[in-house]
Amino acid sequence: KAGVTQTPRYLIKTRGQQVTLSCSPISGHRSVSWYQQTPGQGLQFLFEYFSETQRNKGNFPGRFSGRQFSNSRSEMNVSTLELGDSALYLCASSHTQGAGYGYTFGSGTRLTVV
Amino acid sequence: DQQVKQNSPSLSVQEGRISILNCDYTNSMFDYFLWYKKYPAEGPTFLISISSIKDKNEDGRFTVFLNKSAKHLSLHIVPSQPGDSAVYFCAGRQGGSEKLVFGKGTKLTVNP
Repeated sequence: KAGVTQTPRYLIKTRGQQVTLSCSPISGHRSVSWYQQTPGQGLQFLFEYFSETQRNKGNFPGRFSGRQFSNSRSEMNVSTLELGDSALYLCASSHTQGAGYGYTFGSGTRLTVV
Repeated sequence: DQQVKQNSPSLSVQEGRISILNCDYTNSMFDYFLWYKKYPAEGPTFLISISSIKDKNEDGRFTVFLNKSAKHLSLHIVPSQPGDSAVYFCAGRQGGSEKLVFGKGTKLTVNP
């Protein structure tokens, strides 16, 4: 079965712009989480959506937002981009109680802010 | 506050030997612990998990041990293979949520 699909794979944006990243979870998975990976901070949780509702949120400023659609696809948006937002953004999907089976990650979107 | 710590940034072992990757945590509310393997420019790949009520879980060459009193877990890979060379992340799941808290990773190199 198809894995978690993230688009685009690479993005270059200018400071002050905004960006939207997309994630299509594995079919049947209703939970989608987003993570930011940077060399200094490692993998950090951004937020999690289930049935179009945000259930958990990490410690990121309000410039980072997301949403989930009725087909479980999710988008995250970053407004007023800063240089420090350059990172690999990863999406993970799971069944409701997926911890025992792991969470499946996509290959990520590499965002570079210049 | 780093809730999950992987104190060894790197580890090098010979092919065929055992690799032991360690992880310490501070948050008693984690209900599951997971290990992931990651190659550059790819997403993490799930390896194995353990419930906080267990002390051992095994899957093929991978075994995870959990010592709750010490708040310590370890991943054993036996025998190690060159294809195991990657960065390994330990993560704790906060009970009642889908939030994973990751350590900063250990880079494993398995030499032929």
